[in-house]
Amino acid sequence: GENVEQHPSTLSVQEGDSAVIKCTYSDSASNYFPWYKQELGKGPQLIIDIRSNVGEKKDQRIAVTLNKTAKHFSLHITETQPEDSAVYFCAANDYKLSFGAGTTVTVRA
Amino acid sequence: EPEVTQTPSHQVTQMGQEVILRCVPISNHLYFYWYRQILGQKVEFLVSFYNNEISEKSEIFDDQFSVERPDGSNFTLKIRSTKLEDSAMYFCASVPSSYNEQFFGPGTRLTVL
Repeated sequence: GENVEQHPSTLSVQEGDSAVIKCTYSDSASNYFPWYKQELGKGPQLIIDIRSNVGEKKDQRIAVTLNKTAKHFSLHITETQPEDSAVYFCAANDYKLSFGAGTTVTVRA
Repeated sequence: EPEVTQTPSHQVTQMGQEVILRCVPISNHLYFYWYRQILGQKVEFLVSFYNNEISEKSEIFDDQFSVERPDGSNFTLKIRSTKLEDSAMYFCASVPSSYNEQFFGPGTRLTVL
């Protein structure tokens, strides 16, 4: 089955700086890669996703890149704000979602 | 905006008891999932459900677990005889079609004593 590795496990950034989270996956059949943000006591909320026919996608301060050859994808958050503090999960979809272990992002004011 | 709802938000039960976790998926969605998240760990797939039957299940989803869509709107997860290690957040998700965004509910926190 699919195995998704996510790094780092924790990330502390100064407000206004960028944050980058990286994931790798194992199953070349996976073709949909969402990123979820989870705030305390809530379910995962989709923030951005990318499909395997696209190399990069951007939505305001958030961008995701995908390298299918290397089987890795990354989340980039620019101009971080305190409300970006949360746990971020990457996932790969080979019909069901296989999640990474999560990255706890803390934005210092 | 339509959303997935789950009840109860928190369930406390004694080991060996049966629990039923309830979910109301988004109305026009076709695929339904249960995931669980043990405290501090990654979200794990349990089971997927399509066209009124299980389409895939993980190793976690043993004979103690079952799912049902009893009335065309609710989607339930039953654990027949709970164990301490079943304590986790359980998330329901629904999808309009395969390989699309999975919409997650807020979760049910299950505590087995």
